[in-house]
Amino acid sequence: EAGVAQSPRYKIIEKRQSVAFWCNPISGHATLYWYQQILGQGPKLLIQFQNNGVVDDSQLPKDRFSAERLKGVDSTLKIQPAKLEDSAVYLCASSTQPGTYEQYFGPGTRLTVT
Amino acid sequence: DAKTTQPPSMDCAEGRAANLPCNHSTISGNEYVYWYRQIHSQGPQYIIHGLKNNETNEMASLIITEDRKSSTLILPHATLRDTAVYYCIVPILLIAGNQFYFGTGTSLTVIP
Repeated sequence: EAGVAQSPRYKIIEKRQSVAFWCNPISGHATLYWYQQILGQGPKLLIQFQNNGVVDDSQLPKDRFSAERLKGVDSTLKIQPAKLEDSAVYLCASSTQPGTYEQYFGPGTRLTVT
Repeated sequence: DAKTTQPPSMDCAEGRAANLPCNHSTISGNEYVYWYRQIHSQGPQYIIHGLKNNETNEMASLIITEDRKSSTLILPHATLRDTAVYYCIVPILLIAGNQFYFGTGTSLTVIP
C-alpha cells in the first residue's frame, strides 16, 4: 500500500513569510497527526485529527499555526508569519483509528527559516 | 512530556545483539510500552509494543520487567541498517486515543 505522502520535502523561507505543508495519509486512515521535530529532539505532537474534526491541538501555537483537514482526507499545515524557531522537520502521520498502536509516518518536510 | 528515560547513545557491533534499556517507573497498570525508531532523514517507524508479557516480532523482542518499571528492546542480530534513534514511549491515554510523546531517545550506532 502507498505510504503517507508529504510535500514539499524541503522549504526555505525568510522570517515573517508564510508557508504551507501538505499531507496525504494512507487511504482509509481516519486519524491524522502533525508533529514538529526540532534538530536533536524527538517529534512533538502539534495537532491530531479524527476524520475532519480536531481531537487535540493543545500544543499548536495558534497565533501563527493553523491546520485543516477538509473532507477528512488530505491535510494542510500553515505557518503565518514564520519565525526563526520554526525551523524544523514537520512530520505527518496517520493511523486507522485513534488508540491503535501503530502510526505510519511520512518522510517529513524540512523547513528552514532565515 | 515523555514518561520514559533512555540512555542518549549506545554502540553495538554488527551481528551482535543490541539491548536498549528504558525506564518507565511511573507507568500505570493499563499503559502499554511502545518502541519506535527513526533512521536518519526518515519518519519514525513502529517496532513493537507490550503491556506485561514479553513480545517478539520479526523486527525485535521486548522484555518487560515483572514490576513493569523498565523494559529492554532487543535487536537479536544488529545490522548497519539498524543504526537509528530508538524511542521508548508510554502513550497518554485519552478518550480520543493514544497520544505519543517522544523524548530524545537512544541513538544506536551499529559498528562494522
